Formats: sequence, structure tokens, C-alpha cells
Amino acid sequence: DQQVKQNSPSLSVQEGRISILNCDYTNSMFDYFLWYKKYPAEGPTFLISISSIKDKNEDGRFTVFLNKSAKHLSLHIVPSQPGDSAVYFCAASEEGAQKLVFGQGTRLTINP
Amino acid sequence: NAGVTQTPKFRVLKTGQSMTLLCAQDMNHEYMYWYRQDPGMGLRLIHYSVGEGTTAKGEVPDGYNVSRLKKQNFLLGLESAAPSQTSVYFCATARDGTDTQYFGPGTRLTVL
Repeated sequence: DQQVKQNSPSLSVQEGRISILNCDYTNSMFDYFLWYKKYPAEGPTFLISISSIKDKNEDGRFTVFLNKSAKHLSLHIVPSQPGDSAVYFCAASEEGAQKLVFGQGTRLTINP
Repeated sequence: NAGVTQTPKFRVLKTGQSMTLLCAQDMNHEYMYWYRQDPGMGLRLIHYSVGEGTTAKGEVPDGYNVSRLKKQNFLLGLESAAPSQTSVYFCATARDGTDTQYFGPGTRLTVL
């Protein structure tokens, strides 16, 4: 049972444009969501997070949107840069949990 | 301040051989995790620990054992390696189960 789903295995975007990565979840108890970025041959690194009491969180070029009624979150990158090419994982947790639940990842490629 | 380190970085085993992967952290985190990453499968949790002397099974624990004798170390063992265990293994640490996880650089294991 995949509680966190990233339905797009890959995404290709032109440099300077907006990249939108999507994530859906099924567990209504999830109340904290994170995005991780992973370069080849490196471990994932934390990018941005959002609590369920918010519907938007910004950090520079990165914005995460949360739609609780749709059980959907998205990561917007504006403007996209070649260095943003990586695999992006979304993750979720619920209060009192001992672990995060990760999606399958989306490979983002930024074309010059 | 090394953060999270993993030893070794690469390893090639023959079927039936055993080995231990070491994860070490200097972040004083209670929680530690072992994941494997396979193409199209995202990050799958193998085992985790919520504190020194404790371990628990994750999503894909079969064929692996773990130990957490010291707070700063989390060992992952393969008693009899199989080709299906060819993967990239990541260790992660966190203050608690809902918090941001910090990942090590990974160990690439090939089982022939």
C-alpha cells in the first residue's frame, strides 16, 4: 500500500521556466510533509517542508503548496536552473510516528 | 563535524558471502534508519532504531539484520548475500520519528 505517491517518474523543463513536482498521499493523519533532493552518487538532502496548519511555504526559488482536502502537495521551482536537475522525493509523517514515508521519486531534468 | 558517514562506499560480494555496513553519526540523534534505493522503487526502509539498544523492522527487512550497540553507530548486516540485494544503501538519522532526516552518502553494493 503506497501511502505517498509521485506519479511522474520523470519531468523535463526548460531552464528559466517553472518546474512543478507533484505528490499525492492517502493517509489523512499525515501532518508534516518534506521534500528531499538527490544528486547522483550522493545521499538525499532536505529541501523544504510544510506543516498541515499551512497551505504554502516558501524558501527562495522553492515553494511547497499543500491541499489537504485533495491530499496533494506540490513543489514549485521558479526559475528552474541546470543545478536543479536531480531526483526529488516527497515524504510525510504523522504525529507520534517513528519514521517518514517516502514517495518513489521524480527525476527532474532542466534543459539549457 | 562529519554528520553522517557510511563505510564502505563500494563493495562487490559473491552470492552467499556476508558483510556489515557501518553508519556513524556525530549529530547526537536518537533515531537511525537504513534504506535501500533501487531504480523506480524510491527509498525503501529496511530497519530502523529509535535509540541505543533498540531496533525495529521496516518495509523490506528480510535478509538483513541490524544492531545499535552504541548511540552513534548503526550496523546493517547481510548474512548470506543474494543478487537481489544489489542496491545502493543509505543510512539516515533524525532527532525523532517525525523530524527531518539527514542522510549519509550511500554504499553501492553489488552481489554477483
